[in-house]
Amino acid sequence: QVQLVESGGGVVQPGWSLRLSCAASTFTFSSYAMQWVRQAPGKGLEWMAAISYDGSNEYYADSVKGRFTISRDNFKNTLYLQMNSLRAEDTAVYYCARELYYYDSSGHPHYYFDYWGQGTLVTVSS
Amino acid sequence: SSELTQDPAVSVALGQTVRITCQGDSLRRYYASWYQQKPGQAPVLVIYGKNNRPSGIPDRFSGSSSGNTASLTITGAQAEDEADYYCNSRDSSGNHYVFGTGTKVTVL
Repeated sequence: QVQLVESGGGVVQPGWSLRLSCAASTFTFSSYAMQWVRQAPGKGLEWMAAISYDGSNEYYADSVKGRFTISRDNFKNTLYLQMNSLRAEDTAVYYCARELYYYDSSGHPHYYFDYWGQGTLVTVSS
Repeated sequence: SSELTQDPAVSVALGQTVRITCQGDSLRRYYASWYQQKPGQAPVLVIYGKNNRPSGIPDRFSGSSSGNTASLTITGAQAEDEADYYCNSRDSSGNHYVFGTGTKVTVL
């Protein structure tokens, strides 16, 4: 069974940095694009960042671009999220998720997240 | 637009059918995927693509799409289907993702 286990969350003050990790197991990590998604307390899901299978492409939500960096180590089967200049509004549970895609009959790709970790809580508070 | 809009809440009687909709411009280009989230748990994929269910998802869950609207239907809702449901797709740029605003389903 695919496993994704996040770690690194905690309580930090505004302006501080934090690095989250997502350890992947029982699948070929280096073959899949990966994502970070967060959920503020009592709120909906918010997509944060994506990284291609080989780490050559990164994409970010406008809300974190320039502050957060997604990366991966395919030798360690681990996904990372470096979060700098943290703000109170970054308080959330952070999930990592595996991306899959398939092509429809016209050759158009469609994407989805088939496995998610259990999440790690980041609290930004003074 | 990079937004996906869902009704905040719907209710359904036990054993009846409920449809949850998701509207957004990106759905004209990409199928939505649907995620179920119960309190304190991670989201779980229930529908992807045109109408595909991952292994282990009951066949009472189905998906459909027309124009800028995607729908998730639960036929014969069970008590365990009470949860928040989110749609998701790539956005119009094709490089980012967007989640719907979420729908809380209550089974009466």
